[in-house]
Amino acid sequence: DVKVTQSSRYLVKRTGEKVFLECVQDMDHENMFWYRQDPGLGLRLIYFSYDVKMKEKGDIPEGYSVSREKKERFSLILESASTNQTSMYLCASNRRDRGDNEQFFGPGTRLTVL
Amino acid sequence: RKEVEQDPGPFNVPEGATVAFNCTYSNSASQSFFWYRQDCRKEPKLLMSVYSSGNEDGRFTAQLNRASQYISLLIRDSKLSDSATYLCVVNTNTGGFKTIFGAGTRLFVKA
Repeated sequence: DVKVTQSSRYLVKRTGEKVFLECVQDMDHENMFWYRQDPGLGLRLIYFSYDVKMKEKGDIPEGYSVSREKKERFSLILESASTNQTSMYLCASNRRDRGDNEQFFGPGTRLTVL
Repeated sequence: RKEVEQDPGPFNVPEGATVAFNCTYSNSASQSFFWYRQDCRKEPKLLMSVYSSGNEDGRFTAQLNRASQYISLLIRDSKLSDSATYLCVVNTNTGGFKTIFGAGTRLFVKA
């Protein structure tokens, strides 16, 4: 059974803190993605990676960075958390060979920044 | 204008009803299309792909209208377990590959 896991389901942080969200997939997928999901806005792509050490900005990268040191792991970093980064964060992965294939999602991390 | 637009709903229907959702997309060069389902407080999961000729999976039928740039999802004989948010997803490949998610349509099926 394919699996994408995220390090925390719920996280509460204070403004200005550095926040790490971890995502691990066991499907040997090349592509990995970080989204945030907010009511009425749908999923918005923050960053994606198509290979180890490779990263590309998505639609809303400001205030975020990422790290992909191993194929199975993709980390999202909030350098200095702000209240407008309170959101649901979803990690996803899929194979690189076809662009039109299914993305598999992790369970999400609900981050609250106070 | 949003790249992918959906009626947010909610659609409230009785068990056994037929319900249809539409989703419009703005980029005529879009290449592939999907419906995902997202249960409350859960992650999205692929429901079905949408093919040009239309496709059916049990009680679910998906259609694509390229001329009018919309896709649809029809659910027949609704079940309580169909209650969820349905996300329209569009892939484009102009100046780089991109997957765009709609904001979703909420469906409540009531006994």
